[in-house]
Amino acid sequence: DVKVTQSSRYLVKRTGEKVFLECVQDMDHENMFWYRQDPGLGLRLIYFSYDVKMKEKGDIPEGYSVSREKKERFSLILESASTNQTSMYLCASSLSRGGTYEQYFGPGTRLTVT
Amino acid sequence: GEDVEQSLFLSVREGDSSVINCTYTDSSSTYLYWYKQEPGAGLQLLTYIFSNMDMKQDQRLTVLLNKKDKHLSLRIADTQTGDSAIYFCAGDSGGYQKVTFGTGTKLQVIP
Repeated sequence: DVKVTQSSRYLVKRTGEKVFLECVQDMDHENMFWYRQDPGLGLRLIYFSYDVKMKEKGDIPEGYSVSREKKERFSLILESASTNQTSMYLCASSLSRGGTYEQYFGPGTRLTVT
Repeated sequence: GEDVEQSLFLSVREGDSSVINCTYTDSSSTYLYWYKQEPGAGLQLLTYIFSNMDMKQDQRLTVLLNKKDKHLSLRIADTQTGDSAIYFCAGDSGGYQKVTFGTGTKLQVIP
């Protein structure tokens, strides 16, 4: 079974702090994604990566950056956390081949910025 | 980019059928998907339909696709309390295997 793990289930940070969210997948997937989930807004794509050291902006990249130094690990960085970044953050991965683009999700990190 | 719209909430009685609807704007999607999110968990693929199909049946699940109206639906027969979850429709578009997700429909099953 594909497993996508995220470093924390719950995180509380203060405004202005630098925040790192880590995601690891164990199935050698090329693609990795970071989403945030907010009630009534669904999932919105922040950044994605299709290869090591490659990244592309999603729909809402402002205030975030990412790092992918190894194929299995994709990090989301909040350079200076703000209260409007309080949200559920979901990481996902997928293969680049094989037909359907099924994404496999981690359990999510609920981040609260106070 | 693609927009995917769903109603936010649906309540049904146990044993009834549930129908969750979705509209999308990008007609170039190759596949359209339904994902399920149980409380406290990430999303998991439930089923998908290839864009040149009208219908797909998978046990209690029936997916209907109307390409002309850009309308996708998921029917769950004999809905059980374990079906209570948030259901997301999604379509692939934009390259790099990007998928655009809808707003999600929270299904509440009343015993």
